[in-house]
Amino acid sequence: GQQVMQIPQYQHVQEGEDFTTYCNSSTTLSNIQWYKQRPGGHPVFLIQLVKSGEVKKQKRLTFQFGEAKKNSSLHITATQTTDVGTYFCAGQSNTGKLIFGQGTTLQVKP
Amino acid sequence: DGGITQSPKYLFRKEGQNVTLSCEQNLNHDAMYWYRQDPGQGLRLIYYSQIVNDFQKGDIAEGYSVSREKKESFPLTVTSAQKNPTAFYLCASSTTRVTEAFFGQGTRLTVV
Repeated sequence: GQQVMQIPQYQHVQEGEDFTTYCNSSTTLSNIQWYKQRPGGHPVFLIQLVKSGEVKKQKRLTFQFGEAKKNSSLHITATQTTDVGTYFCAGQSNTGKLIFGQGTTLQVKP
Repeated sequence: DGGITQSPKYLFRKEGQNVTLSCEQNLNHDAMYWYRQDPGQGLRLIYYSQIVNDFQKGDIAEGYSVSREKKESFPLTVTSAQKNPTAFYLCASSTTRVTEAFFGQGTRLTVV
């Protein structure tokens, strides 16, 4: 079945350093979404990418969707302590299933 | 306010008992999902439904059952057949043509 793999599983950075998480799907995706889950909370939608090669920015966050629509990345520039949490990618199959990656947990040292 | 509500937030049950987790949404969403989250792991899909009276198994459906009799409601029953039911359960909803999924606050189930 469809699988969405995400790496790394954990990342510890010093405040001000950059951070990147990568997402790869075993099949072509119709779209990819990114979510953030704060400790003790529930996932909250960040953004959706639909087009091949698409790049979107939200302040210090940059999201990319690969040309083959099978991979994606989230890059955070100059991390802050407020960026702490687990970042998930999620791919939607053509049957409507929304499959999440394992997530990358980001710790930021002040 | 529109949203998706899960109840209860914490639930304790004895081993061998069935338990039903509630999920209600007033967002007029067609699609609803149930995920299980274990410590240090991602969200694993249990069941999903794209329309009333229809639902499909996800990746880890064994030991779970659902119903979708109303558009607003998608209850999940954790049966005694589920070998390791202690986990954090998250319900989500979205439009059928997915733009974003909205999650409930989650139910933390502990089986003792």
